[in-house]
Amino acid sequence: EIVMTQSPATLSVSPGERATLSCRASQSVSSNLAWYQQKPGQAPRLLIYGASTRATGIPARFSGSGSGTEFTLTISSLQSEDFAVYYCQQYNNWLFGQGTKLEIK
Amino acid sequence: EVQLVESGGGLVQPGGSLRLSCAASGLTFSSYVMSWVRQAPGKGLEWVSAISDSGGRTYYADSVKGRFTISRDNSKNTLYLQMNSLRAEDTAVYYCAKEIRKGIAVADYWGQGTLVTVSS
Repeated sequence: EIVMTQSPATLSVSPGERATLSCRASQSVSSNLAWYQQKPGQAPRLLIYGASTRATGIPARFSGSGSGTEFTLTISSLQSEDFAVYYCQQYNNWLFGQGTKLEIK
Repeated sequence: EVQLVESGGGLVQPGGSLRLSCAASGLTFSSYVMSWVRQAPGKGLEWVSAISDSGGRTYYADSVKGRFTISRDNSKNTLYLQMNSLRAEDTAVYYCAKEIRKGIAVADYWGQGTLVTVSS
């Protein structure tokens, strides 16, 4: 079974700075990788699918890259509303990573 | 605007049953694969089950196979999850989710979730 590992578990970044979140698959998932954002008490929100395609309405400061086993979500200039938990998901079989909490430094 | 509204959660004893519903609007419901995803308190996301657009094919996580049944009524734009033999570890917020398009198991719309608590 494929295992999705996100790192780091917690990332502390100052507003206005760049944040880089990683997701690694234990075997290749091609480009079948999505990223979601979740704020406390809210449902997840789709950010990226196909490893690099932004979902409808997602700001350009969010970008995804990678293929195979190594993926990255980059937020170019953090806004206050971006502090949340981020999950990657490989959609060959709906498997999520354990999440990265992005917190204010 | 797409809206997904879950209902049916609550407190149930171990071994009990519960049926969740998800009412959909603002979309051609019968055109989309639908899923249930859950989140235990303070934990991450776990996919539970999915059903094809016609309802003819269903898929389950190993953790719920044989206990949960997903179904849909396209005439009522409603998704269901029948949960039997509930365990403490089934305690979670249950979200229904719409897949972005056929063949891509990515959810672009989610409901607000309904809390299921399994406890004596």
